[in-house]
Amino acid sequence: EAGVAQSPRYKIIEKRQSVAFWCNPISGHATLYWYQQILGQGPKLLIQFQNNGVVDDSQLPKDRFSAERLKGVDSTLKIQPAKLEDSAVYLCASSLKFAPSASPLHFGNGTRLTVT
Amino acid sequence: QKEVEQNSGPLSVPEGAIASLNCTYSDRGSQSFFWYRQYSGKSPELIMFIYSNGDKEDGRFTAQLNKASQYVSLLIRDSQPSDSATYLCAVNTQREAGTALIFGKGTTLSVSS
Repeated sequence: EAGVAQSPRYKIIEKRQSVAFWCNPISGHATLYWYQQILGQGPKLLIQFQNNGVVDDSQLPKDRFSAERLKGVDSTLKIQPAKLEDSAVYLCASSLKFAPSASPLHFGNGTRLTVT
Repeated sequence: QKEVEQNSGPLSVPEGAIASLNCTYSDRGSQSFFWYRQYSGKSPELIMFIYSNGDKEDGRFTAQLNKASQYVSLLIRDSQPSDSATYLCAVNTQREAGTALIFGKGTTLSVSS
């Protein structure tokens, strides 16, 4: 079974620039998550999709972040414009089932973003 | 009150000892609880999940859940240096549109040989 694919692995941009991350979940997984993990902290949920609908985006800074999941498969996360505090690893994860008996998440390798 | 709380550590134990990692959560309705391990520079990987009150054992790992106290723990028996990592507690938490998996900040475990 192929895992969660993410690209790029690393990205360095200047503040106020824009950046986009891509995620391809495990085949058949209905739920897709984007997490932000700042160094030394746990993953913070940015947005959760069930198929192509948004379940939770309460922690997504909507003035600069946007995400979409086309046709309920691939997803992109965009930041525009980036700020220094956006420097983090952006993790994509997918799971087979939706809550309440949520199935475990499978994480991709993440994209490490550095904003200078 | 934070939704999922863990002591950040570091927790240091000698090789062969039992490591005890703790987590509390705020949503009384939570039904699913997970422990993930994260090595430095890597993504989290699932170790165990538990849904019912009591203990669940898997090899050297035991997860314990007490819903009345809103407490979940992970015990690692016969700790090995390779267990040195950050352990993340994750809890399925009710949101307006459904439930979401919320992580704690993680506890760093260091096992010395």
